[in-house]
Amino acid sequence: SQQGEEDPQALSIQEGGNATMNCSYKTSINNLQWYRQNSGRGLVHLILIRSNEREKHSGRLRVTLDTSKKSSSLLITASRAADTASYFCATDAIVGGFKTIFGAGTRLFVKA
Amino acid sequence: EAGVAQSPRYKIIEKRQSVAFWCNPISGHATLYWYQQILGQGPKLLIQFQNNGVVDDSQLPKDRFSAERLKGVDSTLKIQPAKLEDSAVYLCASSLRAGLAGVTNTGELFFGEGSRLTVL
Repeated sequence: SQQGEEDPQALSIQEGGNATMNCSYKTSINNLQWYRQNSGRGLVHLILIRSNEREKHSGRLRVTLDTSKKSSSLLITASRAADTASYFCATDAIVGGFKTIFGAGTRLFVKA
Repeated sequence: EAGVAQSPRYKIIEKRQSVAFWCNPISGHATLYWYQQILGQGPKLLIQFQNNGVVDDSQLPKDRFSAERLKGVDSTLKIQPAKLEDSAVYLCASSLRAGLAGVTNTGELFFGEGSRLTVL
């Protein structure tokens, strides 16, 4: 079963705009990660946030984590056409060891 | 640094035939994962190895799927016999995670490009 569930399933925005994706999960976690997947390719790690962190930045990415609500968000600012991809959250549950479980993903389309 | 290597990239087989996928992880990575990704869905963990031992294979359909990681390095995933619903991309990933003293457990997974299987 999948631990994380992303919302929305699909998102279309204009270039230059901000894109926000949300992830909810069910069990307590060690950390939460976000990955990106271009069509037909493997997944690429974007950012990891630990369970004791609330916010993290990396370039145009901002990730927040609310462990009380079991949710995370990924914000991509100043979106570019090249950001068009699927974005997945992945969680390492505390129970069951280091098992990284992925959600269903958000498909982002950035229009030029 | 070389990435995770997978082969073949594409495979088309008839149902009830067998297929094998190979993965060579990043050198020094203790943990190796096989994920199945059906079109439009997120990756589903099939099996996780720590060195050459199995950590989790709870979602591996053991009546038809098998995987091994000889000598704790490269790995092979086999499907025999294949069903139509096995059509998917099979992703291999590796990570440093090992729980060893001095090794940073970042949790980051490094993925290969995947092997796309079509079962007709």
